[in-house]
Amino acid sequence: AQSVTQLGSHVSVSEGALVLLRCNYSSSVPPYLFWYVQYPNQGLQLLLKYTSAATLVKGINGFEAEFKKSETSFHLTKPSAHMSDAAEYFCAVSLFGNEKLTFGTGTRLTIIP
Amino acid sequence: GAVVSQHPSRVICKSGTSVKIECRSLDFQATTMFWYRQFPKQSLMLMATSNEGSKATYEQGVEKDKFLINHASLTLSTLTVTSAHPEDSSFYICSASRPGHGYTFGSGTRLTVV
Repeated sequence: AQSVTQLGSHVSVSEGALVLLRCNYSSSVPPYLFWYVQYPNQGLQLLLKYTSAATLVKGINGFEAEFKKSETSFHLTKPSAHMSDAAEYFCAVSLFGNEKLTFGTGTRLTIIP
Repeated sequence: GAVVSQHPSRVICKSGTSVKIECRSLDFQATTMFWYRQFPKQSLMLMATSNEGSKATYEQGVEKDKFLINHASLTLSTLTVTSAHPEDSSFYICSASRPGHGYTFGSGTRLTVV
């Protein structure tokens, strides 16, 4: 079975600072990995996904993530935080890209003005 | 891009009544739809997976008689919460997928049972 672990339920960064949200995965087969963002009382919006192509994946809103097999990690980064980035972020894994998603526990990102 | 419409966005119902939540894929045919439940400040928990024309597959611990899922067409899935009770109050989110195109999420339904 596959799973993801998100380290840090809350992360606070200053506006303009680097954003780093951590995700480690466990999977018996090459995984499909996703990062989603959720704003209050809304559904999930896909930021980016890894599907075994390039290990550095660029997403929307300036986010990117790097797949590191040796570290079983898929951390999400953004060079410069913006106030609008404040939200809940979820890392997720699936087996073949359209099977059920397994979510991490989420990380709430707060941006300090 | 792919759009999934979920209705209603909010619903308040009395204890003991049933509530139906609709999830429609507007511009694509969804071979599979997923239903999630999210408690406040928590992650999404998969409730069930449904494929068009077949019975839904429920996750362990989810009462199939309480949470009825129908996937009658490639663009519509419904979740009916039967005989709702206050403990069923939650945020419900659907997701639609098709091979090679990943997942698209609805905007969620906030259910409050009073």
